[in-house]
Amino acid sequence: DAGVTQSPTHLIKTRGQQVTLRCSPISGHKSVSWYQQVLGQGPQFIFQYYEKEERGRGNFPDRFSARQFPNYSSELNVNALLLGDSALYLCASSLFAFREQFFGPGTRLTVL
Amino acid sequence: GQQVMQIPQYQHVQEGEDFTTYCNSSTTLSNIQWYKQRPGGHPVFLIQLVKSGEVKKQKRLTFQFGEAKKNSSLHITATQTTDVGTYFCAGRNNNNDMRFGAGTRLTVKP
Repeated sequence: DAGVTQSPTHLIKTRGQQVTLRCSPISGHKSVSWYQQVLGQGPQFIFQYYEKEERGRGNFPDRFSARQFPNYSSELNVNALLLGDSALYLCASSLFAFREQFFGPGTRLTVL
Repeated sequence: GQQVMQIPQYQHVQEGEDFTTYCNSSTTLSNIQWYKQRPGGHPVFLIQLVKSGEVKKQKRLTFQFGEAKKNSSLHITATQTTDVGTYFCAGRNNNNDMRFGAGTRLTVKP
């Protein structure tokens, strides 16, 4: 079985641009969560979606948005990029909301 | 807001020694999860604790959830070089906010 997949692997953007990150959960998993991880720190919770509805939101500005599609894949959008948005963005899928999470390899975003 | 503190930040042990990392939340948690992340890798799920005072074991690993559901610990008996990595706790509060601790980085000297 395929694990959680994320695309792209790496991304370089400039300040002010917009970015879309994509995540495909494990087959059968209905929940997807997004995290931001800065080097040397723990993952910071951004969003959780379950059955296409937002079930949880972390302390991130409105520049961050996400959605989940009928096939349970998800996109994370970040507008008006700042240098501080440079990080590893992790997607995690789980069978149900807030259960055992399986993380993808992440997307490394660099904002110049 | 909810804070999840994890100590120690770093721990270096000799192979065969025991290791413990502690997690403390400023608010009561609905559940707590533990993850291990190897350098350059992504977090891998270890366990979830839900009940007050719960204790779970996985081979050399013992996980505890405090009676007040505000603290947790992970204890590894007789560490091996394969235990190297960063161990994170993650707690869910009643507002469906999932907070990770900063992690404890474990290094093991053979």
